[in-house]
Amino acid sequence: GAVVSQHPSWVICKSGTSVKIECRSLDFQATTMFWYRQFPKQSLMLMATSNEGSKATYEQGVEKDKFLINHASLTLSTLTVTSAHPEDSSFYICSASERVNEQYFGPGTRLTVT
Amino acid sequence: GENVEQHPSTLSVQEGDSAVIKCTYSDSASNYFPWYKQELGKRPQLIIDIRSNVGEKKDQRIAVTLNKTAKHFSLHITETQPEDSAVYFCAASLSGGYNKLIFGAGTRLAVHP
Repeated sequence: GAVVSQHPSWVICKSGTSVKIECRSLDFQATTMFWYRQFPKQSLMLMATSNEGSKATYEQGVEKDKFLINHASLTLSTLTVTSAHPEDSSFYICSASERVNEQYFGPGTRLTVT
Repeated sequence: GENVEQHPSTLSVQEGDSAVIKCTYSDSASNYFPWYKQELGKRPQLIIDIRSNVGEKKDQRIAVTLNKTAKHFSLHITETQPEDSAVYFCAASLSGGYNKLIFGAGTRLAVHP
């Protein structure tokens, strides 16, 4: 149980374009989903918290107009990186929470902006 | 803001030895402490967790201890194997709702045959 999928697993895009990443909980309903960013050899940095049917809560320093989050259902959250630039290149990982506190991670999406 | 400190940043052990990773948290309201294992290029996997009403929890070769007074918690791996080599992250829950976690910086464990 507690399987989280993420799509795509990797994407290359040109500077100025937008990229959408999907996060799905496959065998449970996720009351909350989280989006993280991870730089090479570094820890997980929480970007935003997403609750179904409500606006996402962004961490300090994360631009909400650049990283658009939509949580349309209890099994799907999307992150759209708008007007991507090379500095947005990173590993983006989502997690989903069914029970209080427990988070299960997706496999991550490696974004490269050229 | 709240933070979690994790030590050591790297740990090298011989196969069969024990490995201990320690974390300290700052939010006194934290009540959930998971440990994740992340292999290169893969997702973090929850390997064990502990809640604040428990002082110790064990699962085969892995154990976690919690000292709420000192705000310390530790991961203990016994009889290490090469497949235990990975980066381990500790985390602590944040008060204020939303089930948020704050992560330590990670420990790169290398188990040498």
